[in-house]
Amino acid sequence: EIVLTQSPATLSLSPGERATLSCRASQSVSSYLAWYQQKPGQAPRLLIYDASNRATGIPARFSGSGSGTDFTLTISSLEPEDFAVYYCQQRSNWPPTFGPGTKVDIK
Amino acid sequence: QVQLVQSGAEVKKPGASVKVSCKASGYTFTSYDINWVRQATGQGLEWMGWMNPNSGNTGYAQKFQGRVTMTRNTSISTAYMELSSLRSEDTAVYYCATIAAAGTGLVGYWGQGTLVTVSS
Repeated sequence: EIVLTQSPATLSLSPGERATLSCRASQSVSSYLAWYQQKPGQAPRLLIYDASNRATGIPARFSGSGSGTDFTLTISSLEPEDFAVYYCQQRSNWPPTFGPGTKVDIK
Repeated sequence: QVQLVQSGAEVKKPGASVKVSCKASGYTFTSYDINWVRQATGQGLEWMGWMNPNSGNTGYAQKFQGRVTMTRNTSISTAYMELSSLRSEDTAVYYCATIAAAGTGLVGYWGQGTLVTVSS
């Protein structure tokens, strides 16, 4: 089973700042990595699929990059609604697995 | 619009089974796989398995093998996830989810979640 490690566990930033979240896989997942956002009491929302493709309806301030074992989710300028927990998920190897999440909170 | 609507909260005793439903609307139910994911309170996401609503083919995470069954009723566009031999550690919110084509890209849809509480 592929283990995903996310860093940092918590990221404290102010609105308008740039957020950079990392996801590292225990072995290559090629580009089969997705990013999800989850707010308290809500279901997760797909942001990015296949490492760098924004899901339909997702604002352009969200971008994903990386391949193999190292991936990054960047939020170019944080909006108030972006403070949430972000999870990465791989679907390269069975079973699909999620990372433990990065919480982006308000500084 | 696409919606996945799940059944309501359940309280079960240890050793019992629970069956959660996920009714799809706004798209052709048999077009996209349904995944099931759970989340214990304050914890991360845990993928449980998937089902192809067209063929009925399923795949389960090894952790749940032998305890989980995913089925569907295509006539009412509804997927089901049944988990047996419940224990307290199964207390969680259970989600169904799908990823569908939207224009030139993809979009994810999730149910609202079903809280399953296992308690004696």
